[in-house]
Amino acid sequence: QKEVEQNSGPLSVPEGAIASLNCTYSDRGSQSFFWYRQYSGKSPELIMFIYSNGDKEDGRFTAQLNKASQYVSLLIRDSQPSDSATYLCAVPYSGAGSYQLTFGKGTKLSVIP
Amino acid sequence: EAQVTQNPRYLITVTGKKLTVTCSQNMNHEYMSWYRQDPGLGLRQIYYSMNVEVTDKGDVPEGYKVSRKEKRNFPLILESPSPNQTSLYFCASSFAPSGEEQYFGPGTRLTVT
Repeated sequence: QKEVEQNSGPLSVPEGAIASLNCTYSDRGSQSFFWYRQYSGKSPELIMFIYSNGDKEDGRFTAQLNKASQYVSLLIRDSQPSDSATYLCAVPYSGAGSYQLTFGKGTKLSVIP
Repeated sequence: EAQVTQNPRYLITVTGKKLTVTCSQNMNHEYMSWYRQDPGLGLRQIYYSMNVEVTDKGDVPEGYKVSRKEKRNFPLILESPSPNQTSLYFCASSFAPSGEEQYFGPGTRLTVT
């Protein structure tokens, strides 16, 4: 069973605040996790990936993974209006020769100037 | 420039008229995939291919066909389009044969009347 759950939002934060986006997944065997950003009318763009429990930082973005809780999050520090987009969590599922990337439905983030 | 291209970008057609959406990547990626994106349903995988002549169904394959005769191309074929196939379609490719870290094309907005 492949499920990736995200709060649809919208999540509104003031400029300069920390935005916290959450994702849960169903397969305990999942090893890697991806965050994509999608601006309205545009294609998804990979922004972060994480394989190990704990935190991974890249600029203003931090991905956090807790495999025991089957939970992955994305923190955006010093949020900017340009961060306003939909953020998609994605988890690869494999089995019986099948390899698929399953996406959550996304959380829409609005950063208010 | 490394990229995934799709054509056409916009298409309005009528029920039953066969159409093909082309997808090409110049990154020598083994894995290619087609998704459709609908409001409230998120990104759903239609078909994927792990290499030339190797294709498999995703989550919503009904009404679609694909082929992978060359590594760089992965066309999506709608033999008899119906209005419920009106959607935004994305092609994606990945170096990893398991489909991780996918890079998306710009999208094709299809309307079937």
